[in-house]
Amino acid sequence: GENVEQHPSTLSVQEGDSAVIKCTYSDSASNYFPWYKQELGKRPQLIIDIRSNVGEKKDQRIAVTLNKTAKHFSLHITETQPEDSAVYFCAASSIGAAGNKLTFGGGTRVLVKP
Amino acid sequence: DTEVTQTPKHLVMGMTNKKSLKCEQHMGHRAMYWYKQKAKKPPELMFVYSYEKLSINESVPSRFSPECPNSSLLNLHLHALQPEDSALYLCASRQVPSSGRYNEQFFGPGTRLTVL
Repeated sequence: GENVEQHPSTLSVQEGDSAVIKCTYSDSASNYFPWYKQELGKRPQLIIDIRSNVGEKKDQRIAVTLNKTAKHFSLHITETQPEDSAVYFCAASSIGAAGNKLTFGGGTRVLVKP
Repeated sequence: DTEVTQTPKHLVMGMTNKKSLKCEQHMGHRAMYWYKQKAKKPPELMFVYSYEKLSINESVPSRFSPECPNSSLLNLHLHALQPEDSALYLCASRQVPSSGRYNEQFFGPGTRLTVL
């Protein structure tokens, strides 16, 4: 089955700096890579996703890059703000497979210091 | 309505109790999921329903029994749970068939379960 590794497990940045989280996956059949943000006591919420036919996607201060050959993808947050503090999970999935099963990375706790 | 709702928010039960968790969505999504999330860990998939049929069971113990009575509702029946089953139980839904932008799993707020 799929295995997703995520690094770092914790990340502390100064407000205004950039944050980068990296994930690797094992199953070359995976073709959908979402990133979820989970604030304390809240539900996971999708912040950005990318499909394997695209190398990069950007949405305001958030960008995701995908290297299919190396089987890794990264989340970049620029101009971090205190409200970016949360746990971020990457995930991998194979669209079209039964149930579109998401396999999550272990999570990165991001703390943005004012 | 673009939300997944879950009831109850919190549940405390003894090891001999029977209880049920409920999940509801009115987005027309035909795939629904149960996840278990322990503190400081990622969600772990338990069950997947596709068009009201169970399509994935991740080797979950039989003390957890899912049910999908219709396309909007998903239940998780609990019986004879253990203290280690205490966790946040998350429901999610997704539009099927997946194509274009329709890949996102929408999560509910979860039920925080404590087993005494």
